[in-house]
Amino acid sequence: KNQVEQSPQSLIILEGKNCTLQCNYTVSPFSNLRWYKQDTGRGPVSLTIMTFSENTKSNGRYTATLDADTKQSSLHITASQLSDSASYICVVSDRGSTLGRLYFGRGTQLTVWP
Amino acid sequence: EADIYQTPRYLVIGTGKKITLECSQTMGHDKMYWYQQDPGMELHLIHYSYGVNSTEKGDLSSESTVSRIRTEHFPLTLESARPSHTSQYLCASSESVAGKVSQTYEQYFGPGTRLTVT
Repeated sequence: KNQVEQSPQSLIILEGKNCTLQCNYTVSPFSNLRWYKQDTGRGPVSLTIMTFSENTKSNGRYTATLDADTKQSSLHITASQLSDSASYICVVSDRGSTLGRLYFGRGTQLTVWP
Repeated sequence: EADIYQTPRYLVIGTGKKITLECSQTMGHDKMYWYQQDPGMELHLIHYSYGVNSTEKGDLSSESTVSRIRTEHFPLTLESARPSHTSQYLCASSESVAGKVSQTYEQYFGPGTRLTVT
């Protein structure tokens, strides 16, 4: 069964600190992995998308890594800001369908305190 | 900011009512999707469309129905709402370019509709 597991489930950090969110997946055959940011009551917004051959990708203060061998990914946030408070969702796509089916994790709820 | 819109943003209705959740996008995307998301849980695909007059059911069984008469419009209808339908409904779209692997298409999400059935 294709699954995406994220940890921790929730995280509280102080403004200015760094943090790392984890994602493990069993989706096969693997196509790509995405990290989304979802603010409360809003739709997810894409942060990064990585294919099999990519090990790391950055988007401003967000840096995602991918180890396709161990099927693990991480999202590192540097110098956190209050606006980073949101749910961060790991999403994996398979190559088994023309639709490009997405498998969603439950997200890590990040809270940044002043 | 993606050009995909959903209305209403919030809806509270009584059991048995018929409702339609609207979704429209101005990006000319062929593929559109409806997801259902409960608090703290993952998104589940309930419907998708490859293009006009194409609709398919997703992974999660849903009593809702969809239609795709125009490229930009993908409404979702519940004929008789029940409390079990209370959830957030997210619409998304993605492009479809010849020669490009479909699995790498970016999906753009709307802001969602929070539905409460009393």
